[in-house]
Amino acid sequence: SQKIEQNSEALNIQEGKTATLTCNYTNYSPAYLQWYRQDPGRGPVFLLLIRENEKEKRKERLKVTFDTTLKQSLFHITASQPADSATYLCALDITGGGNKLTFGTGTQLKVEL
Amino acid sequence: EAGVAQSPRYKIIEKRQSVAFWCNPISGHATLYWYQQILGQGPKLLIQFQNNGVVDDSQLPKDRFSAERLKGVDSTLKIQPAKLEDSAVYLCASSIGGRETQYFGPGTRLLVL
Repeated sequence: SQKIEQNSEALNIQEGKTATLTCNYTNYSPAYLQWYRQDPGRGPVFLLLIRENEKEKRKERLKVTFDTTLKQSLFHITASQPADSATYLCALDITGGGNKLTFGTGTQLKVEL
Repeated sequence: EAGVAQSPRYKIIEKRQSVAFWCNPISGHATLYWYQQILGQGPKLLIQFQNNGVVDDSQLPKDRFSAERLKGVDSTLKIQPAKLEDSAVYLCASSIGGRETQYFGPGTRLLVL
């Protein structure tokens, strides 16, 4: 069966450290993968998109890697801040460009002072 | 630019009752999505519209859920009759036609008693 797995346990890190979140998938060949941030009581907000032929993407303190051989994406937040505390969702397009997203369950990140 | 608007924000109903949710996408966005997000899970796509036509409704429980987007702008999602397991947040998202980034509304939190 097709699966998208993210760490179900919350990730607690200290302010200033780098947070690394993992997204693993099976039985998909996605055209691209996206990362979203979701705060309590709000809808997801788009952060980054990485395509199947890209290895790495950066945006300010965010970095995403995509390894289609391992079927894994890593999401890094450097110099983390308490304001980065949220749930982070990965999402895959499995339709080869049809923009139909399948989401993982999300990982809750808490950045402590 | 105004974001995706949804109403109501909260709704409590009893099982077997009917309920409707409304979504107004970002102006000019041709593609509209409805998602169901159960507590602790990622959003699950229910239906995708391109203008006023249905692109994908393969995960919509059609015996009780219906959705329409009559003029290619606003959309309504209806549940009739509701079951306890329909308790969830219903998210609406929109995107510029053919583009990957989706913009989400705040969601409607439904509780079925």
